[in-house]
Amino acid sequence: DGGITQSPKYLFRKEGQNVTLSCEQNLNHDAMYWYRQDPGQGLRLIYYSQIVNDFQKGDIAEGYSVSREKKESFPLTVTSAQKNPTAFYLCASSTGQGNSPLHFGNGTRLTVT
Amino acid sequence: SQQGEEDPQALSIQEGENATMNCSYKTSINNLQWYRQNSGRGLVHLILIRSNEREKHSGRLRVTLDTSKKSSSLLITASRAADTASYFCATDGSGYSTLTFGKGTMLLVSP
Repeated sequence: DGGITQSPKYLFRKEGQNVTLSCEQNLNHDAMYWYRQDPGQGLRLIYYSQIVNDFQKGDIAEGYSVSREKKESFPLTVTSAQKNPTAFYLCASSTGQGNSPLHFGNGTRLTVT
Repeated sequence: SQQGEEDPQALSIQEGENATMNCSYKTSINNLQWYRQNSGRGLVHLILIRSNEREKHSGRLRVTLDTSKKSSSLLITASRAADTASYFCATDGSGYSTLTFGKGTMLLVSP
């Protein structure tokens, strides 16, 4: 059954620690995306990748880093430089062709105290 | 930057009633998409309408697009309690390869 898997579902970290969120897809999609969602807010784009070994910053990339070493995987690292890291993080993928819809994982809720 | 804005922010109706949500956007688009999000879950794609289309149907969903007014509406007919969710519009913006999402409309359908 094809889809996107995000792990873990809940993550707790102390302030000052880096943390990496996992995102894996078996849809054979070229493009992958990371969005952040805060309560009552829409989704804001952090980073996206249209092809392996290449990625671009989105609207709120500061304090985050990504890698795309494999087509299936697009991990997101939330660094200690991110001022307000507590949020719901959503990973998505698409074929990357014009008009193609996004397929989302079920998210990781990160709490930093 | 946020492109689409949904209206209303929240909508509460009874089962069997119709629900209408609106989306306004600022710049030219190639297409507009609607997504649904159940609480604590990822988004699910519902329907896509291209800039040269005016209306599209999918089951109980009807989407309209008015590019002259830069607005779209999503109509859910004969709502069910299971339709309770947040609904988001997303636009690509001509020339952009990523989607920009609005803040969503939270729909509550009471039995």
